[in-house]
Amino acid sequence: GAGVSQSPSNKVTEKGKDVELRCDPISGHTALYWYRQSLGQGLEFLIYFQGNSAPDKSGLPSDRFSAERTGGSVSTLTIQRTQQEDSAVYLCASSSFGISGTEAFFGQGTRLTVV
Amino acid sequence: TQLLEQSPQFLSIQEGENLTVYCNSSSVFSSLQWYRQEPGEGPVLLVTVVTGGEVKKLKRLTFQFGDARKDSSLHITAAQPGDTGLYLCAGVRGGGNKLTFGTGTQLKVEL
Repeated sequence: GAGVSQSPSNKVTEKGKDVELRCDPISGHTALYWYRQSLGQGLEFLIYFQGNSAPDKSGLPSDRFSAERTGGSVSTLTIQRTQQEDSAVYLCASSSFGISGTEAFFGQGTRLTVV
Repeated sequence: TQLLEQSPQFLSIQEGENLTVYCNSSSVFSSLQWYRQEPGEGPVLLVTVVTGGEVKKLKRLTFQFGDARKDSSLHITAAQPGDTGLYLCAGVRGGGNKLTFGTGTQLKVEL
């Protein structure tokens, strides 16, 4: 597709269950980011993938959170043993690099609700 | 501690008013961007500035990059309800690749 695609768009899960969120970045983009956003708030950085480099995991809030990026393309964010405080919109973005800077293209997000 | 601090955090104004949003850091950035996010959507790029002191205008929006490339401002003239949204600055630190987002400014423009 032409843009960043995230699935599912909405996910309701029971507390304690595991969830997987998927991100299909724009083809050819070497950088991929995951962010978390609570209602009306800014972006909370989670993890950053850049090419074949080791990912920057410094934003992951606990060891229940993990992410993979297979083949430099699709990424999956996994949350194990979900808690109610994990409820938020999870946004994925991808970017490439140019002389004029780096534009991040965002997906529409996955709204996660833990009940 | 956030790398990019925005102020104010929230702003509610009447249509026709002017406003300025600030994005500040103690670090130097090779480029800085401003995004706007509307409800239910991801942020969308408004502008990129790369040169210290640079000023860019986008209709009623004026963006400035500080001379030392540590800060930026967004000024909106004669705000309209369509300007309502979350405004985010983002920057790439000198020598790096990672894009870092600011804390965000939630703007509401009322009739």
